[in-house]
Amino acid sequence: DAGVTQSPTHLIKTRGQQVTLRCSPISGHKSVSWYQQVLGQGPQFIFQYYEKEERGRGNFPDRFSARQFPNYSSELNVNALLLGDSALYLCASSLGQGQETQYFGPGTRLLVL
Amino acid sequence: GESVGLHLPTLSVQEGDNSIINCAYSNSASDYFIWYKQESGKGPQFIIDIRSNMDKRQGQRVTVLLNKTVKHLSLQIAATQPGDSAVYFCAGISGYSTLTFGKGTMLLVSP
Repeated sequence: DAGVTQSPTHLIKTRGQQVTLRCSPISGHKSVSWYQQVLGQGPQFIFQYYEKEERGRGNFPDRFSARQFPNYSSELNVNALLLGDSALYLCASSLGQGQETQYFGPGTRLLVL
Repeated sequence: GESVGLHLPTLSVQEGDNSIINCAYSNSASDYFIWYKQESGKGPQFIIDIRSNMDKRQGQRVTVLLNKTVKHLSLQIAATQPGDSAVYFCAGISGYSTLTFGKGTMLLVSP
């Protein structure tokens, strides 16, 4: 079975631009979460979606937004990019039935110049 | 809020040794913990989990211990192999599976 997939794998943008990252969860998983991982640190929670509804949000500015589609895939959008947004963006999926293991994709590495 | 942290940033061991990676957590409301392994350029990979009603759980070559009294977790890897070299994170779960990660411990295994 395919695991969590993310696209693109790498991305280079300039300050002020906008970016959209995509994630497809494991088949049968209805919950998707997004995390930002800055080099040398652990992942930081951004959003969680379940059945197309936002179920949780971390301490990130409104420039960050996300959505989940009927097929449970998800997009993360970041507007007005800053240099500090350079990071590995990770998507994780889970069944969505409570406190349970999340399985991560390979991530999208974003570099903002 | 909750924070989950690690005691040692880098652990160097010889192949065949047993490795122990430690983790402290501050939010006693967390009742589910997961250890992840992250290799360079990859996403975190699930290793083993433990719920707060347990104090020990074993997997293949790995054991997680939970001490709720002192809010401490450890990951033990038996007969460590070069392929175990990676960064290891513990994460606590709160709410609907929101993970809170620590900084991570880098495990370096020498042949």
